[in-house]
Amino acid sequence: LAKTTQPISMDSYEGQEVNITCSHNNIATNDYITWYQQFPSQGPRFIIQGYKTKVTNEVASLFIPADRKSSTLSLPRVSLSDTAVYYCLVGDLGGYSTLTFGKGTMLLVSP
Amino acid sequence: SAVISQKPSRDICQRGTSLTIQCQVDSQVTMMFWYRQQPGQSLTLIATANQGSEATYESGFVIDKFPISRPNLTFSTLTVSNMSPEDSSIYLCSGGRLGELFFGEGSRLTVL
Repeated sequence: LAKTTQPISMDSYEGQEVNITCSHNNIATNDYITWYQQFPSQGPRFIIQGYKTKVTNEVASLFIPADRKSSTLSLPRVSLSDTAVYYCLVGDLGGYSTLTFGKGTMLLVSP
Repeated sequence: SAVISQKPSRDICQRGTSLTIQCQVDSQVTMMFWYRQQPGQSLTLIATANQGSEATYESGFVIDKFPISRPNLTFSTLTVSNMSPEDSSIYLCSGGRLGELFFGEGSRLTVL
């Protein structure tokens, strides 16, 4: 079971780029890396998913080095509404029970 | 994507009673899960709801305390039995499809 480690919290200002790194040293060959965002009083929401190299969508980019032992979620030009908890999950696409939530990173964006 | 609806959204219950939470998905999902989240904490997986068979429980969670049903691909229930104040938490239903998890808004349970 791949375990993830993230910073507990991060602070940023509006308009800045935020990079949140997640360590997953014993990621398995079949494992994908998925990031979720959670606002207070809401369930987590899927942000982005990747296997290797770089993935980009309309809200974020995900950078995964060749050894896949870590990954970085990049949020360009954050706004106040990006204040949330961000979770990095590692698991294979078929075995959802391996998608265990770690402690997450609380991102606080200030004006 | 999939939209997940949970009922009730919140409830206040007396010690010793039981409460059933319903979860409805608007489209088919491969798997359904139930999580618990204490205030300010991360999510803890309670069990995987299996269609037409007994749920698969994680360590620390048992069927007698958290009976789960999943009669079809889009509906599941979680019952919190013989509640105590320690069961006060947010209970989240999740559906999985193609490696992505979709979550409901959660059911906030307070046990007095």
